[in-house]
Amino acid sequence: GESVGLHLPTLSVQEGDNSIINCAYSNSASDYFIWYKQESGKGPQFIIDIRSNMDKRQGQRVTVLLNKTVKHLSLQIAATQPGDSAVYFCAEKGRVNDMRFGAGTRLTVKP
Amino acid sequence: DGGITQSPKYLFRKEGQNVTLSCEQNLNHDAMYWYRQDPGQGLRLIYYSQIVNDFQKGDIAEGYSVSREKKESFPLTVTSAQKNPTAFYLCASSSGRDQPQHFGDGTRLSIL
Repeated sequence: GESVGLHLPTLSVQEGDNSIINCAYSNSASDYFIWYKQESGKGPQFIIDIRSNMDKRQGQRVTVLLNKTVKHLSLQIAATQPGDSAVYFCAEKGRVNDMRFGAGTRLTVKP
Repeated sequence: DGGITQSPKYLFRKEGQNVTLSCEQNLNHDAMYWYRQDPGQGLRLIYYSQIVNDFQKGDIAEGYSVSREKKESFPLTVTSAQKNPTAFYLCASSSGRDQPQHFGDGTRLSIL
């Protein structure tokens, strides 16, 4: 899961396995969430979003699950590939329509 | 290709100097944002603008200034008042409420 601090949580998986990255969010009133992927030296790249009226949303090789009861968000990546290695952030909509970001989880895919 | 362009990619600031980071978007988005990213931390909001000629302070606006004279452009000035400016600066834009923010590739600012 995500946390604030100098050391990012890390997840290491074997190529071809499924990855699950978790995120706890803070505001029970948040109604919009996004997962981003950030590669070294680049800006965050949109992966998938979900609104609070949904529990699950699927994209290409990715699934986001939202559990509003425990304020938990997860990103599942199927058949993880070396190109998936990056830092993954969850973000919740802030009060001024900005996004509030977690510190991120570093995913490493072993060949 | 539509997108957000940030320049320069790397920038160095001398003591007492103001520096300006450029952000241009051709996505026709109304809203633009500046974030700061420090190692191992989430992005923090510096300033945002929902419309031309209007902008608001974010969580860490002290030592920074912005302008929004054109829809496409949202430059950020890091002033000498910002005592710890070394960071990765990210600009983003969005088309509106509950729409994803799209990011540029950032400017890395360092102190000489």
